[in-house]
Amino acid sequence: DTEVTQTPKHLVMGMTNKKSLKCEQHMGHRAMYWYKQKAKKPPELMFVYSYEKLSINESVPSRFSPECPNSSLLNLHLHALQPEDSALYLCASSQGGGRIYEQYFGPGTRLTVT
Amino acid sequence: QKEVEQNSGPLSVPEGAIASLNCTYSDRGSQSFFWYRQYSGKSPELIMFIYSNGDKEDGRFTAQLNKASQYVSLLIRDSQPSDSATYLCAVKNSGYSTLTFGKGTMLLVSP
Repeated sequence: DTEVTQTPKHLVMGMTNKKSLKCEQHMGHRAMYWYKQKAKKPPELMFVYSYEKLSINESVPSRFSPECPNSSLLNLHLHALQPEDSALYLCASSQGGGRIYEQYFGPGTRLTVT
Repeated sequence: QKEVEQNSGPLSVPEGAIASLNCTYSDRGSQSFFWYRQYSGKSPELIMFIYSNGDKEDGRFTAQLNKASQYVSLLIRDSQPSDSATYLCAVKNSGYSTLTFGKGTMLLVSP
């Protein structure tokens, strides 16, 4: 089973709101990722967690704050976003370590900032 | 700057034909290569991965890798209208657990 789930599917928020995106996987994967994808562009890496520790932050603005409560869960906390942050936010996971690198994506959260 | 290049398309093929999608990459140390299919408005779906030079077949899909030429391709046999999507080539960055994606090739299969 290669399932990554994300909630909510859609989110509309104002620039002063605080919201969170959630991601969950039960494949025993130890690496989890947040990506942002704009229309007709490839996914753009934001954060990588490896064994529940933040290992990569691709110079993402502080209005995006990731959290990894345990090996199955990944959150992205949003605060004071801008309209240009509207995009599809994708979570992915991979086994981590070893030589297996396949990343599996969740269905995404479509975020609109008004 | 690690780069992955794909022709943006659209690549148009008739139903039943073979679709050939190509990708070149700049990181000579890369060892792992992936093809994702993305339907409009949906998330990327991993359809093939290849780690060794040569061909790897899975159903109607064949991935081909030539590390010397830094070239990876995806062949789709007996193309169906349901194969119409954007195909993203992704390359694992050497030394990191991250992927560099190409910009994707849009495939259109006409009935």
